[in-house]
Amino acid sequence: NAGVTQTPKFQVLKTGQSMTLQCAQDMNHNSMYWYRQDPGMGLRLIYYSASEGTTDKGEVPNGYNVSRLNKREFSLRLESAAPSQTSVYFCASSEVRLETQYFGPGTRLLVL
Amino acid sequence: EDKVVQSPLSLVVHEGDTVTLNCSYEVTNFRSLLWYKQEKKAPTFLFMLTSSGIEKKSGRLSSILDKKELFSILNITATQTGDSAIYLCAVESSGGGADGLTFGKGTHLIIQP
Repeated sequence: NAGVTQTPKFQVLKTGQSMTLQCAQDMNHNSMYWYRQDPGMGLRLIYYSASEGTTDKGEVPNGYNVSRLNKREFSLRLESAAPSQTSVYFCASSEVRLETQYFGPGTRLLVL
Repeated sequence: EDKVVQSPLSLVVHEGDTVTLNCSYEVTNFRSLLWYKQEKKAPTFLFMLTSSGIEKKSGRLSSILDKKELFSILNITATQTGDSAIYLCAVESSGGGADGLTFGKGTHLIIQP
């Protein structure tokens, strides 16, 4: 039981490049979330998926798209990366929306 | 592998009680320890601790870090029902190919009227 896994662990992009951050959970959770963590700002919600087939914007969705591929997987895409998107990205899941969330190990993204 | 362990996993107390939540860690290249409060929304940031022995305080909440014994505590005095939440501890590390935050499982705190 791996919990929540994220790939890659670390990525460097040039401005304008695109990439997809992958997240998967093996706990049969319905809800999944993407956050970014910036120094001194705490976690900020980018997008969440309350259940398979649904996605909703969080606090800071601009510049991102998400895809809930199936119940296990929730990906975050940056279509045209910007330096302001340099951050650590966390995926989380919970059995149902707004209940206890379990976090992945994070992806550190650097946009030059 | 970095590890963060919180205890207790759950705690039920009466309003007005004082509670102490614990967080112990084993990480490579410690950078900081953070406490979050998670209610029915995204976790909210409480404290960031980087130095041993220096208490951080915000109202009825306070926290301190012991880098020698590798733990932190979060104290809440004169608890109120609004303090009911899950309290998450996370440790930030640097280098070693594992940069980022490692979260504990959280302590589910319930304050009864």
